[in-house]
Amino acid sequence: GAVVSQHPSRVICKSGTSVKIECRSLDFQATTMFWYRQFPKQSLMLMATSNEGSKATYEQGVEKDKFLINHASLTLSTLTVTSAHPEDSSFYICSARADRISEAFFGQGTRLTVV
Amino acid sequence: AQTVTQSQPEMSVQEAETVTLSCTYDTSENNYYLFWYKQPPSRQMILVIRQEAYKQQNATENRFSVNFQKAAKSFSLKISDSQLGDTAMYFCASRGTQGGSEKLVFGKGTKLTVNP
Repeated sequence: GAVVSQHPSRVICKSGTSVKIECRSLDFQATTMFWYRQFPKQSLMLMATSNEGSKATYEQGVEKDKFLINHASLTLSTLTVTSAHPEDSSFYICSARADRISEAFFGQGTRLTVV
Repeated sequence: AQTVTQSQPEMSVQEAETVTLSCTYDTSENNYYLFWYKQPPSRQMILVIRQEAYKQQNATENRFSVNFQKAAKSFSLKISDSQLGDTAMYFCASRGTQGGSEKLVFGKGTKLTVNP
């Protein structure tokens, strides 16, 4: 399958700072990327969908000003958690899809800890 | 709206035996995709198997096969000859093909433990 690389795999930041997570499709062009959040022992919760060159579509209840998503190229999307607080600590996962009929491939995930 | 239900929070099986994980779904679309994903302790999401709703034949991938019952909206996963490496969370998911329904909708997952 195709490769999606997510970086960093782990990050610890201080409360009030911002942290950026990158998601790259390494061997295909991703027209659509998805960002998920996963709490311990729970399923993946979709946060937002981003299409290259367009503004992201956020799911209900997700603060767009807190979770900034940029999809400036066909191989890179970023999620920036702004003014992070301890309750933002979680596992964040991205996935990327080439087109509407293709399957999505997942990154390795990022463990964010806000202290 | 699509929904996916996995009614078995946890299951266990002995190595080399067969286990079936259940999944039901609901969708108003005629064409859609169904998936089973595996999430091992590393938390990397791995696609196990994929089924296109318009295909009547059940998908198979080596030791993994599905029982797709379209009328009943059921999509179970059978793992044959279970191996220790199959220990993981398994998520059933669906995706539509119409605008706005193309995102993956996941079930709550089933934690599978393969015992030696």
